Amino acid sequence: GENVEQHPSTLSVQEGDSAVIKCTYSDSASNYFPWYKQELGKGSQLIIDIRSNVGEKKDQRIAVTLNKTAKHFSLHITETQPEDSAVYFCAASKGAGNMLTFGGGTRLMVKP
Amino acid sequence: EPEVTQTPSHQVTQMGQEVILRCVPISNHLYFYWYRQILGQKVEFLVSFYNNEISEKSEIFDDQFSVERPDGSNFTLKIRSTKLEDSAMYFCASSGSAYTEAFFGQGTRLTVV
Repeated sequence: GENVEQHPSTLSVQEGDSAVIKCTYSDSASNYFPWYKQELGKGSQLIIDIRSNVGEKKDQRIAVTLNKTAKHFSLHITETQPEDSAVYFCAASKGAGNMLTFGGGTRLMVKP
Repeated sequence: EPEVTQTPSHQVTQMGQEVILRCVPISNHLYFYWYRQILGQKVEFLVSFYNNEISEKSEIFDDQFSVERPDGSNFTLKIRSTKLEDSAMYFCASSGSAYTEAFFGQGTRLTVV
């Protein structure tokens, strides 16, 4: 089955700096890669996703890149703000409505 | 903004007891899921449900587990005879179609003592 590895497990950055979180996956049949942000006491919120037919997607300060050959994808957050502090999860699946295989999560801390 | 809601937020139960975790998916969604996360481990898929039947389930989802959509709004996960190792955060999710993203609830923390 699919296996998703996520690094780093914790990341501390200064406000205004960039943050990068990386994930690798094992199943070449996976074609949908969402990123979720989990804040304490709230449901995980989808912040961006990418499908395998594109290599990069951007939404304001957030971008995701996908390298299908190497089977890895990354989340990039620019100009970080304290409210970006949360746990971020990457996931992979064979379609948006299919079961998700999650990475282990990254706790991002943005210091003011 | 529509959201998935789960109740209770925390449930403590004795080993061997039955528990029912409840979820209210987003109202026009058709696909429903349960995931769980044992402390310190990854979020794991349990089951997906569509058109009143299970569409996919993992090895974790054995005969002790069942899901039901008892009415038009609730989606429940039942664990018949809880074990200590069932202690985890349980997340419900829903999506509008097989091609759109899943929205997650805030989770129910189940503690089996």
